[in-house]
Amino acid sequence: DVKVTQSSRYLVKRTGEKVFLECVQDMDHENMFWYRQDPGLGLRLIYFSYDVKMKEKGDIPEGYSVSREKKERFSLILESASTNQTSMYLCASSFRDAGREVAFFGQGTRLTVV
Amino acid sequence: RKEVEQDPGPFNVPEGATVAFNCTYSNSASQSFFWYRQDCRKEPKLLMSVYSSGNEDGRFTAQLNRASQYISLLIRDSKLSDSATYLCVVKMTSGTYKYIFGTGTRLKVLA
Repeated sequence: DVKVTQSSRYLVKRTGEKVFLECVQDMDHENMFWYRQDPGLGLRLIYFSYDVKMKEKGDIPEGYSVSREKKERFSLILESASTNQTSMYLCASSFRDAGREVAFFGQGTRLTVV
Repeated sequence: RKEVEQDPGPFNVPEGATVAFNCTYSNSASQSFFWYRQDCRKEPKLLMSVYSSGNEDGRFTAQLNRASQYISLLIRDSKLSDSATYLCVVKMTSGTYKYIFGTGTRLKVLA
């Protein structure tokens, strides 16, 4: 089974704090993604990475950065947390199966910024 | 216009009913199509990929209509455990890594 693990299920942080969300996958997948999910807006792509040290901005990268120093780990960083970053954060990794890329998700981190 | 659109529902159906969801996408360059299921406060999980010829997995049937740019999901003999949000997902052409998610259709199967 594909395993994508996020370091925390629930986090509460204060405005202005630097926040690290960690994601690890154990299937040697090249592609990894960070999404946030908000009611009525669905999943929105923040950043993705297609290889170690490679990253590309998604649709809503402002206020976030990422790090991929090892293939299995993709970190999302909130440089200075703000209340509008309160959300459910979902990490995913993908692999090619029968000619198509299939994405698998971690269990999600529900972040509250107070 | 959203790139992937779904009726948010909720669809309230009795156990044993057949229910169908549609999803439309705007970019004709879309390459791969999927249905994901998401339970409340959980992560999305792959339900099934959608192939051009249509495909079936038990009680679930997925169809793709490229000409009209929509995909559908049919659930037969609904179970209480089918209650969830169903996300339509489109992946753009190869060379990009972008998945586009619909906002989901909520299904409630009632006893």
